[in-house]
Amino acid sequence: DTAVSQTPKYLVTQMGNDKSIKCEQNLGHDTMYWYKQDSKKFLKIMFSYNNKELIINETVPNRFSPKSPDKAHLNLHINSLELGDSAVYFCASSTSLSVTMNTEAFFGQGTRLTVV
Amino acid sequence: GEDVEQSLFLSVREGDSSVINCTYTDSSSTYLYWYKQEPGAGLQLLTYIFSNMDMKQDQRLTVLLNKKDKHLSLRIADTQTGDSAIYFCAEKDLSNTGKLIFGQGTTLQVKP
Repeated sequence: DTAVSQTPKYLVTQMGNDKSIKCEQNLGHDTMYWYKQDSKKFLKIMFSYNNKELIINETVPNRFSPKSPDKAHLNLHINSLELGDSAVYFCASSTSLSVTMNTEAFFGQGTRLTVV
Repeated sequence: GEDVEQSLFLSVREGDSSVINCTYTDSSSTYLYWYKQEPGAGLQLLTYIFSNMDMKQDQRLTVLLNKKDKHLSLRIADTQTGDSAIYFCAEKDLSNTGKLIFGQGTTLQVKP
């Protein structure tokens, strides 16, 4: 069983389009995240959600709108796609936000977004 | 703010040990993680260590932590070609947001 699953795995679209990436976790975790990996493989957090509530928005343009309909899902909608949005987007989940506990994050397989 | 740095590339021969290094800046207690990313795949958690520990061993993997120098290393014994991947060091942010701060990743190349 896949713990954190994202769809689609690949997404090629034109500039200006609107697209969504879906993420689901079956681990019973309370916290979910979106990370972006750029062409140099650098990973940076975009959003974290805890029990469906937004915890951090790490200076992401408001063209990116995450939505968490329930604890097990965190979708990412992107409006007016730009060339610079091309990257691999990873969804992840963990048991909680706590800094004092080992709450390792489990990652999905990634969605490779290419904007042409 | 926190910063995590790694060297970008390491090449070893099959059967040798690999040592991947990482430095971090935060001096408070936190968790530190090693992730592996194979080409076209997601991140696989390899191991973790709490910052008050010195060492952790898990089969072929040994994590060493020098808290004074804020230096973390991952040693892979008897490196195999299947170990070729990018290895990321990550530090858990202290803000109770669950955020991980990643290093740039070290590409490990294992030659037969």
